[in-house]
Amino acid sequence: AQSVTQLGSHVSVSEGALVLLRCNYSSSVPPYLFWYVQYPNQGLQLLLKYTSAATLVKGINGFEAEFKKSETSFHLTKPSAHMSDAAEYFCAVSDAGGTSYGKLTFGQGTILTVHP
Amino acid sequence: NAGVTQTPKFQVLKTGQSMTLQCAQDMNHNSMYWYRQDPGMGLRLIYYSASEGTTDKGEVPNGYNVSRLNKREFSLRLESAAPSQTSVYFCASSEAQIRQGANSPLHFGNGTRLTVT
Repeated sequence: AQSVTQLGSHVSVSEGALVLLRCNYSSSVPPYLFWYVQYPNQGLQLLLKYTSAATLVKGINGFEAEFKKSETSFHLTKPSAHMSDAAEYFCAVSDAGGTSYGKLTFGQGTILTVHP
Repeated sequence: NAGVTQTPKFQVLKTGQSMTLQCAQDMNHNSMYWYRQDPGMGLRLIYYSASEGTTDKGEVPNGYNVSRLNKREFSLRLESAAPSQTSVYFCASSEAQIRQGANSPLHFGNGTRLTVT
C-alpha cells in the first residue's frame, strides 16, 4: 500500500518569498511522484512528475521538487512566490508496478496563500 | 481541444434520489477515473477503467456504480443518494497502459459539485 502525507494544510508566504510545500510518501515499491495544483473552481493541473530519470525535477511556473529516497520526501519549492501562485497543491504517488494503470494516491492538500 | 468534460457542473439532490454524472474525454486516452474531493481529505479514487470494457473499484466505491460506455465516455451513477455523498466529483483520464501506466499523468475535468440534502 502507498500513502502520501503533506505537512501543513495551510502555508502563507509573502510575495517574493521562498515557497516550500512538504510531501512525504510511503511505498513498498519504487514510486512515481507528482505535484498537482488546483485553482478555485477548477480541476487539477500537473505541475511536475518524478519518474526516476533525475532526482531534481523542474515543472511549470518556476516550481521544482527534489526526490530524496533516504528521507522518503518530495518537497515542492519555488524561489520567489507570485500572487498568482495562490492555490491548493496536491502531492500524489503511484507505484511503479505494471498493473497500477495510472492510479494515484493523493495527499490531503496544502492551501498556499500569498500576501502582497 | 476540450480535454475532459464533465456534466453537470452543479447538482442538488434529495436523499434517496438517483443521478448520473457524465464524463467524456477527447484525447484518445485508455484509462479513465472517478475521484471525489472532500475538505482535508485530498482526492479519493471511487472507480477506474483501465480500458474500454473494464471497470474496477477504487478506495471508496460503496454507493456508486460506473459504466465505460466507449473509449471516450465514463459515467458515475448514484442509485440512492445520501448526505455523505455530498462532495466535488472529478473525472480524469490518462494514457496509462499496462507497461507505462504508473508514470502517465492524469488530466482532470473541472468537477461536479454535488449536494445531497
